[in-house]
Amino acid sequence: DSGVTQTPKHLITATGQRVTLRCSPRSGDLSVYWYQQSLDQGLQFLIQYYNGEERAKGNILERFSAQQFPDLHSELNLSSLELGDSALYFCASGRGGTGELFFGEGSRLTVL
Amino acid sequence: AQSVTQLGSHVSVSEGALVLLRCNYSSSVPPYLFWYVQYPNQGLQLLLKYTSAATLVKGINGFEAEFKKSETSFHLTKPSAHMSDAAEYFCAVSARSGNQFYFGTGTSLTVIP
Repeated sequence: DSGVTQTPKHLITATGQRVTLRCSPRSGDLSVYWYQQSLDQGLQFLIQYYNGEERAKGNILERFSAQQFPDLHSELNLSSLELGDSALYFCASGRGGTGELFFGEGSRLTVL
Repeated sequence: AQSVTQLGSHVSVSEGALVLLRCNYSSSVPPYLFWYVQYPNQGLQLLLKYTSAATLVKGINGFEAEFKKSETSFHLTKPSAHMSDAAEYFCAVSARSGNQFYFGTGTSLTVIP
């Protein structure tokens, strides 16, 4: 158990819909990272938050947004969903410095 | 900017044989380097990390990796493969600020009985 909790584990929805993925980081970790993993794209960095503020942005689409709340949990919002958005979405948390990232088990999104 | 390249998207070894998974990094500053493993339907787990201490790093499950600055490499090895080692392996690099992590495209390891 990494200590990072992601919900829901599985989600099936239709094109055009909007979903929210939630992540609770490990106790004490201020950084939250979101990654998208698909068969053809590998592990793609989406966005990073540190103590409530956006720290780095990767290949995140404009239809996607995220935020980190005062209690440090984070949400990734995906809107106007397309078939190609079907993927495994991972949240990871860390403390910076020499520390590694700890990954949740992911949220598997299927868009039909 | 940092990046990693994993050579070989698929590697097959026989049970008991040497495992060698290759990773080369690109970094303008001395990096931190990591190997993660992902078992089917699970998240990524840390195998080992290099943070400028000993260049030979030992990890969990008998894996180790050697940081070679002259070759900009951080290859992962295990002397004897076990069936339970079948998984996806990712190399990652971060700058010394530790803020951004860059992952390789992964290497799928198959262990043949």
